[in-house]
Amino acid sequence: ETGVTQTPRHLVMGMTNKKSLKCEQHLGHNAMYWYKQSAKKPLELMFVYSLEERVENNSVPSRFSPECPNSSHLFLHLHTLQPEDSALYLCASSQEWRGASPDTQYFGPGTRLTVL
Amino acid sequence: TQLLEQSPQFLSIQEGENLTVYCNSSSVFSSLQWYRQEPGEGPVLLVTVVTGGEVKKLKRLTFQFGDARKDSSLHITAAQPGDTGLYLCAGDMNYGGSQGNLIFGKGTKLSVKP
Repeated sequence: ETGVTQTPRHLVMGMTNKKSLKCEQHLGHNAMYWYKQSAKKPLELMFVYSLEERVENNSVPSRFSPECPNSSHLFLHLHTLQPEDSALYLCASSQEWRGASPDTQYFGPGTRLTVL
Repeated sequence: TQLLEQSPQFLSIQEGENLTVYCNSSSVFSSLQWYRQEPGEGPVLLVTVVTGGEVKKLKRLTFQFGDARKDSSLHITAAQPGDTGLYLCAGDMNYGGSQGNLIFGKGTKLSVKP
């Protein structure tokens, strides 16, 4: 496989469930990102990992818990979500985070999450 | 407060027409990127502009970065149904380097009818 893959592509969960989203990049990049894309709102950056270390956490509620076990994999663990958390969750990767020149972020196809 | 304003929000045109979409801000960006996102997919980078006044062309797409690096436009000539999608602009405020955190606009949803 090439590029950035995300599983599952669709997820429906209740407010008391625990689930995880998975992202894998096959590009040899050092930085990985989680974004939330809701209707009528701009893409919101949630977390950034650089060389497996979390470098940004943009005031995201603790019911979202990221994990980056290695530079190719990124998880988003979900627990006790609310209906307003329903959105498209996008993973992205780039060669570096805050490198020397403008870099390109490569996005996965996203996980469409519905919280009932 | 929306840092990057995109207009129009929706645009529906016939094949062969020309169009321009805009990305405006009161903030200065070190670089600005345009992405296209198709239904069921993630955004795909089209272009990065870095220098104020810069113009870049990608086939029928022309991108311009404002002189003051606060705004940008995307012009499509002779639009085709394959151009349909959500066009997102994203700005980077990290001077002297690459994107740290990109700031995205809400996007322009373009529909080109055959």
